[in-house]
Amino acid sequence: QLQLQESGPGLVKPSETLSLTCTVSGGSISSSSHYWAWIRQPPGKGLEWIGRMFYSGSTYYNPSLKSRVTISVDTSKNQFSLKLSSVTAADTAVYYCASNLLYWGRGALVTVSS
Amino acid sequence: EIVLTQSPGTLSLSPGERATLSCRASQSVSSSYLAWYQQKPGQAPRLLIYDASTRATGIPDRLSGSGSGTDFTLTISRLEPDDFAVYYCHQYGTSPRTFGQGTRVEI
Repeated sequence: QLQLQESGPGLVKPSETLSLTCTVSGGSISSSSHYWAWIRQPPGKGLEWIGRMFYSGSTYYNPSLKSRVTISVDTSKNQFSLKLSSVTAADTAVYYCASNLLYWGRGALVTVSS
Repeated sequence: EIVLTQSPGTLSLSPGERATLSCRASQSVSSSYLAWYQQKPGQAPRLLIYDASTRATGIPDRLSGSGSGTDFTLTISRLEPDDFAVYYCHQYGTSPRTFGQGTRVEI
């Protein structure tokens, strides 16, 4: 049973870079059976797909965020990460890491504020 | 981008009643790659249905998904107290993947 856990700062200043890590347990991040994704949810609102990475290293980003997003994998730590640059208050959200359709982390609230 | 529109926004029902949730896509969903999720406050979404009509592991047969093309439905035949939550549809056939805005099922 795959388990995912987000970690990272809960408060980021405007114009800075948001960085989150997702630690994967119960399976290998190098598995060809999985993709690794980030999804976010502003408080009280719906879900937005940020992007995903395959084990091969190929990535796909939501065009609405593409210029600011990087998803990468650290196979030595069985982790993958999200970086979102030049953040504003509109980027305040619960950020979920996920794999395939089924496996989700509990989510990490990131607030953008000075 | 495929826009998913869910209706109604809120469904007010009682335990034992039938719930019918709709998800309409702005263009055809490739290979019926549509999923339904349930979300409760403070929790991550939980996968209920994928490929439009396949129940995820552990999901009771009171829940069923149907549809193809641009029109999809989630039906809960007999509502139980644990079913009162927000439900999202999600298409994963075309990038970028998108979600509907959600339907709240309340007592």
